Order: sequence, then structure tokens, then C-alpha cells
Amino acid sequence: EVQLVESGGGLVQPGGSLRLSCAASGFTFSSYWMHWVRQAPGKGLEWVSRIKGDGSRTSYADSVKGRFTISRDNAKDTVYLQMNSLRAEDTAVYYCARGARVGFLIDYWGQGTLVTVSS
Amino acid sequence: QTVVTQEPSLTVSPGGTVTLTCASSTGAVTSGYYPNWFQHKPGQAPRALIYSTNNIHSWTPARFSGSLLGGKAALTLSGVQPEDEAEYYCLLFYGDTWVFGGGTKLTVL
Repeated sequence: EVQLVESGGGLVQPGGSLRLSCAASGFTFSSYWMHWVRQAPGKGLEWVSRIKGDGSRTSYADSVKGRFTISRDNAKDTVYLQMNSLRAEDTAVYYCARGARVGFLIDYWGQGTLVTVSS
Repeated sequence: QTVVTQEPSLTVSPGGTVTLTCASSTGAVTSGYYPNWFQHKPGQAPRALIYSTNNIHSWTPARFSGSLLGGKAALTLSGVQPEDEAEYYCLLFYGDTWVFGGGTKLTVL
């Protein structure tokens, strides 16, 4: 059974940093793209970032480019999202999701972790 | 900035059929945008329904189908059930990044 469990959310001040983690199980982690998606309060889903299975390629939404960094540790079956220079508008539930091994899709999702940026 | 547009809200009667659409500010949506569709209910994780325009996941009920319609991606629900009331999002691929639509709130009434 595919499982994705996010952790690391919490309250952080504007300008601060936070690192989210997503522990994966139930599939060959290193073969799959992984994504981060967020949902701000009362808003829709926003795609944030993705990373290829071997970690060789990454991409970001313009809203986080230069501030967020996605990475993965395939030995630990874990993907990370390092978030720096946080702003109030980064307040959201952050979801980890599994992408494709081959093709273009997102299938399994974690339950999400809440990040609140406030003074 | 790329914008993906969905109907903000739709209402359908139980047992009825409804089509949700997904348009791109860059022009017609084609199979090369690999449209994905997701269902999201409050307090739950989003659930994937459709990928690459019209492919269903193993868990997707048969009443859900995807297509291209008039330059847009489309999600059709046939024989709508009360439990289909939810927010629905499309997701399009733009070469290196993905963009979600704003979502459609589907009411079953």
C-alpha cells in the first residue's frame, strides 16, 4: 500500500525558514517523480515543486522559485521541501504527492502538513 | 503568468450528467498538456481521478470520464451520486511545470 506521510509543519515568523519532510512507503521510491502541492486557507490547490526519481531534475512554481528547494534522500525514501524567506502568503496546507514513474501524472497524496507564517 | 480556468461552481441533480471544463490562457488544451483531474473534499487529501486526458486510475468509479472538448480538457460525471459533491481540480503540464485550475465546486442537489 502506497503511503505518504508529511511532517515538519508549524508556526514560523515572516522571513523565517522551515523544512518539510515526506516519508514514503509501499513503492520503489527512487523510480518516481515526487511533488509538493499546497492549499492556502479558502483557496485552491497550487502546484509548488517536483523532483525526478534520481534527484537530477527539479522545477518550481514562480511563486516559490529562489526561496524553496526540493530534495530527496532515496536511501531514506524521503522527499524534502526547504522553505526560506517565508511570507504570510506561504501559509497553507502542504501536500506531498507521488508523480509518474513513466508519463505525466500525480496519483497518491499524503494527508498534508500545515504551515503558518505569522508574527 | 499562465492561468488555468475552470467553472467556479456547477449544480447537478442526483442521477444526472455534468461536464466540467478546463481552459488554458496559452490557447487550446491538447493531449500534450497531459490533463489530470482530482476530487477534493474538505478535511481530506485530494484524490486522483483521471490522467493524460482520459485514463482512469484503478480506483476511479466508471461514472467519471475525461476528454478534450472544444479546446478544453473536460471531466464528465454520468449518473452523479450524492457523494460526488466536492471541489474538482484540473492540472495541466507546461513543459517543466504544472499548473492547477482554480477548481469547480460541484453541488449535488
